[in-house]
Amino acid sequence: SQTIHQWPATLVQPVGSPLSLECTVEGTSNPNLYWYRQAAGRGLQLLFYSVGIGQISSEVPQNLSASRPQDRQFILSSKKLLLSDSGFYLCAWRAGRYEQYFGPGTRLTVT
Amino acid sequence: QQPVQSPQAVILREGEDAVINCSSSKALYSVHWYRQKHGEAPVFLMILLKGGEQKGHEKISASFNEKKQQSSLYLTASQLSYSGTYFCGTEGGSNYKLTFGKGTLLTVNP
Repeated sequence: SQTIHQWPATLVQPVGSPLSLECTVEGTSNPNLYWYRQAAGRGLQLLFYSVGIGQISSEVPQNLSASRPQDRQFILSSKKLLLSDSGFYLCAWRAGRYEQYFGPGTRLTVT
Repeated sequence: QQPVQSPQAVILREGEDAVINCSSSKALYSVHWYRQKHGEAPVFLMILLKGGEQKGHEKISASFNEKKQQSSLYLTASQLSYSGTYFCGTEGGSNYKLTFGKGTLLTVNP
């Protein structure tokens, strides 16, 4: 069966510090991968998605970036965090055009 | 474009039924439904594909009207565990990405 991992689970970072969140998927190959952000009490905002290694599509212009160095690994990064970057970051995977599954998420607080 | 969900919130007593609607202004390939409990990640409930294919949890039912670009999620004989925020995600065209509605907060009381 497929499993999706995210770490860390929680993170507190000062404004201006860098960020690296990692997501890995097990039990499948060539998944579509997604990064979402959910602000407190809000909906799911798609940040990036990838249909293959090195292929990244950005949905929202901001100070975040994403990379997919391996087939089942998706990384979200920032060089300098802003207060507005606080939120619940969710990685998701999908096999083709079928159902999409979310990882457990990383709760980021920028102070 | 973001789909519109209705109602925004609903309160039920255990055993009652509820319907949550999701409407899009564009042609859809698929509609996905999720439930999210406070502080947790969204959990997959149901996918409905153009052409009639669907897959999901046994106790959850939903419909997809392709012509009207609308979907409804039917929660029958609700249980306390049904409480949470329900999101629909819609996919149009061939871009492999979902756009989510703002959510419907469902509260089931004893």
